[in-house]
Amino acid sequence: SQELEQSPQSLIVQEGKNLTINCTSSKTLYGLYWYKQKYGEGLIFLMMLQKGGEEKSHEKITAKLDEKKQQSSLHITASQPSHAGIYLCGAANSGNTPLVFGKGTRLSVIA
Amino acid sequence: ETGVTQSPTHLIKTRGQQVTLRCSSQSGHNTVSWYQQALGQGPQFIFQYYREEENGRGNFPPRFSGLQFPNYSSELNVNALELDDSALYLCASSLWAGTNEKLFFGSGTQLSVL
Repeated sequence: SQELEQSPQSLIVQEGKNLTINCTSSKTLYGLYWYKQKYGEGLIFLMMLQKGGEEKSHEKITAKLDEKKQQSSLHITASQPSHAGIYLCGAANSGNTPLVFGKGTRLSVIA
Repeated sequence: ETGVTQSPTHLIKTRGQQVTLRCSSQSGHNTVSWYQQALGQGPQFIFQYYREEENGRGNFPPRFSGLQFPNYSSELNVNALELDDSALYLCASSLWAGTNEKLFFGSGTQLSVL
C-alpha cells in the first residue's frame, strides 16, 4: 500500500519567515492533495497537483510536484499566525482508490 | 465552511458500548467517505458510500459499519467499542465516487472511549 512521509513533523517559525514542508511517496502518485487542519477540526482543501513538474499557488502558499510524481513540497512565503495548523498531504495510486494521508506537519507561527 | 455537518461534536463512551455518528453531506454530493484520525496521525480511510451502497473499505473490522440514506446523509456505527477507537472521526463528501475529486470535510466528531 502507498505510504506518505511528511517532513518535518513539526515546525516553529517566526512571523514573516518562509518555510517548506515536504511530502514523499513510496510509489508514483496519481494525484497529490494538500489540506490544512486546525487542531481537532476538519480538513480544508488547499491544492491538488496531478502533472509531473506542476506548480500551483494560492495567496502566499505554493505547492510543487516533482517530475517523477513521488515528491511534493509546500512553501509558505512570509508566514503569518493564520498559517498555523497541521498541513497534511494526501494521495492515491489511481482515480479509483481512496486518499491516503501522511501524518501531517504541525506548524506554529510566533510573533 | 464546507457545508458538511457532523454530529455530535464530542462523545464519551465506555468500552463495549455502541456508538452512532452522523454526517450531512454538502448539497449535491452523492458520495460520503469516513475517516478515523488518531491523535498525532493522519486520517485513515474507513469506508465510502455512494448512492446508499458501500463503495470501498479500508482496513477496519466489521464492527465498523455504515449507512447512507436517500438524501445522501450518512451514519457510522461502531459496536463493541475499544479504547483504541478513541479518535476524531471525519466525514467527507464529494461529487463523484471512485475518483479523487476534491473532498469536503466536516469538523469531525471527537470520540473518547473510557
